[in-house]
Amino acid sequence: DSGVTQTPKHLITATGQRVTLRCSPRSGDLSVYWYQQSLDQGLQFLIQYYNGEERAKGNILERFSAQQFPDLHSELNLSSLELGDSALYFCASSESTSGRPRGQFFGPGTRLTVL
Amino acid sequence: QKEVEQDPGPLSVPEGAIVSLNCTYSNSAFQYFMWYRQYSRKGPELLMYTYSSGNKEDGRFTAQVDKSSKYISLFIRDSQPSDSATYLCAMRGSNYKLTFGKGTLLTVNP
Repeated sequence: DSGVTQTPKHLITATGQRVTLRCSPRSGDLSVYWYQQSLDQGLQFLIQYYNGEERAKGNILERFSAQQFPDLHSELNLSSLELGDSALYFCASSESTSGRPRGQFFGPGTRLTVL
Repeated sequence: QKEVEQDPGPLSVPEGAIVSLNCTYSNSAFQYFMWYRQYSRKGPELLMYTYSSGNKEDGRFTAQVDKSSKYISLFIRDSQPSDSATYLCAMRGSNYKLTFGKGTLLTVNP
């Protein structure tokens, strides 16, 4: 168990809908990262938050947004869903930026199916 | 050319074999190198984390980094059926964005 929790585990919805994925980082970790994993694209970095502020952006669509709250949990919002958004969505967390970082720890993921 | 290349396999070995997994990369800015293990439908699990060129050993696992050749490897000694999983290499530069290989599917047969 990595200490990173994600809810829900599975989500089935229809095209055009909006969903929210939730992540709680490991205790003490200030950074949260979101990744999308599909069979053809592999693991793709979406966005990073550090202590409530956006730190880096990857291949995140404009229909997707995220935020990190004062208690450090994070939410990824996916709107106007398309069939191609069906994938596994992972959250990861890492230590604060002080000292030598030691990698990112991944949650169990949310499997999103868009019908 | 993709930033990170990893042979997807599949790789099938008998129990007890030494397994070698490899990735090449093109971005000279990559400084930190990781190996993750992912079981089917689970989250990636961090196995090894290295910063500099050279070898790092942890139990049956050895990570090797050759920055001059832009080549990293993971060796698994005395492989076990429980090692059957997808192995992903990952790397990053000074920012915290990880770039992953596509993963190599490994099966260790009893």
